[in-house]
Amino acid sequence: QQQVKQSPQSLIVQKGGISIINCAYENTAFDYFPWYQQFPGKGPALLIAIRPDVSEKKEGRFTISFNKSAKQFSLHIMDSQPGDSATYFCAAKAGANNLFFGTGTRLTVIP
Amino acid sequence: DTAVSQTPKYLVTQMGNDKSIKCEQNLGHDTMYWYKQDSKKFLKIMFSYNNKELIINETVPNRFSPKSPDKAHLNLHINSLELGDSAVYFCASSQVTTAYEQYFGPGTRLTVT
Repeated sequence: QQQVKQSPQSLIVQKGGISIINCAYENTAFDYFPWYQQFPGKGPALLIAIRPDVSEKKEGRFTISFNKSAKQFSLHIMDSQPGDSATYFCAAKAGANNLFFGTGTRLTVIP
Repeated sequence: DTAVSQTPKYLVTQMGNDKSIKCEQNLGHDTMYWYKQDSKKFLKIMFSYNNKELIINETVPNRFSPKSPDKAHLNLHINSLELGDSAVYFCASSQVTTAYEQYFGPGTRLTVT
C-alpha cells in the first residue's frame, strides 16, 4: 500500500516557468514532510522540509505548501531552470525514523 | 570528503549467489538505513538501524540481513540472490532526532543474471 501518493509521474516545463508537484497522504501520524531531489546516477538529497503545523515554507525558488485538513502538500519550483531537471520525491516521516517516499516525479525543464 | 559511501558501485552476479554491499558514513550520525530503488524509481525502506534498535520492513525477505560492525558502518548481506533482487540499493544515515533529513550514498546497482 502506497502511504504517500505523488503526481504527476512526469512533468515538462519551459525555462522560467513554475513546476508544481503534488502529494497526498492518509496517515495522520506523519510528523514531517520532506522533499528530496535525485539526479541520474546519484542518491536522493534533501531539498526542503516542512512540519504539519506550518502552511508554507520557502527556500529560494522552492516552496512547500501544506494543507493539513486536506492531507495534501505540494512543491512549487519558481523560475524553473534546466539544472532543476531531476526526479523529485515527496516523503513523510512517521515514528522515530520511518520515511515513506512518494513514487517520484521526473521533471524536465526545457531551455 | 564523501559523507556516505558505498561499495561496490556496480555488482553483477548470478542467481543463487551470496553478496554483500558495504556502507560507511563519516557524519557522526547515529542511525543508518538501507533502501531499495526499483526500475520504476520507487524508493522503499528496507531497514533502519541505530545502536539501540533494528527495524526491519516486514516485506523484506529474510535473505537480506544488515550487519553493523560499528556506528559508522551498516553492511547489507544478501543470500541466495534472485532475479527480482536486481535494483539500486541506497545506504543513508541521519541523526535519530532529525530522521526526515537523511543523507544518501551514491547507490549500488545490483544486477542478478
